Amino acid sequence: GAGVSQTPSNKVTEKGKYVELRCDPISGHTALYWYRQSLGQGPEFLIYFQGTGAADDSGLPNDRFFAVRPEGSVSTLKIQRTERGDSAVYLCASSPGGGAMAGELFFGEGSRLTVL
Amino acid sequence: EDKVVQSPLSLVVHEGDTVTLNCSYEVTNFRSLLWYKQEKKAPTFLFMLTSSGIEKKSGRLSSILDKKELFSILNITATQTGDSAVYLCAVPDRGSTLGRLYFGRGTQLTVWP
Repeated sequence: GAGVSQTPSNKVTEKGKYVELRCDPISGHTALYWYRQSLGQGPEFLIYFQGTGAADDSGLPNDRFFAVRPEGSVSTLKIQRTERGDSAVYLCASSPGGGAMAGELFFGEGSRLTVL
Repeated sequence: EDKVVQSPLSLVVHEGDTVTLNCSYEVTNFRSLLWYKQEKKAPTFLFMLTSSGIEKKSGRLSSILDKKELFSILNITATQTGDSAVYLCAVPDRGSTLGRLYFGRGTQLTVWP
């Protein structure tokens, strides 16, 4: 696709449930990022993939959060035993992974997660 | 221990006004500073600044970096209602061009007709 695609755009779930959020990056982008944005805050880093491997997962808040990118393209963010505090917009971004415009991220529209 | 601090957090102006948004940062091994515009959900890239004193310009928007004083400003001249958005400032972690970005809370700009 032309841009970063995220699904679902909205997800409402109950406390304790499991959710998966999907990100389809721009074709050919090797770097993929997950950020979380709460109301009135800037995006907060969660995890960064270079290819298939997680190059930096230090932003994941706890072991309920996990992300994969098995073929180096689509990524899935998985949240177990959701809590109300997990409610936020989850943003995915990709970048070419190097070069003159390194640092420029292309963001998707985000997945708004609401935990009741 | 915020690494990126933006001010003001909120700004309301009328069309035609000029605005200046501020971003101060504190990061080890500084390499670059980025500005993004967030209208609804997806932040979109505006500028990447790496050198002090060199203005980057795109239409009515311009930005400059001061590496000695550790801050950047984003100027918007002749504001339009379409400029209403949250403007985010970010710096990469430990000077890396890849990986984690530290974002500020953003400045919510509202331009009234």
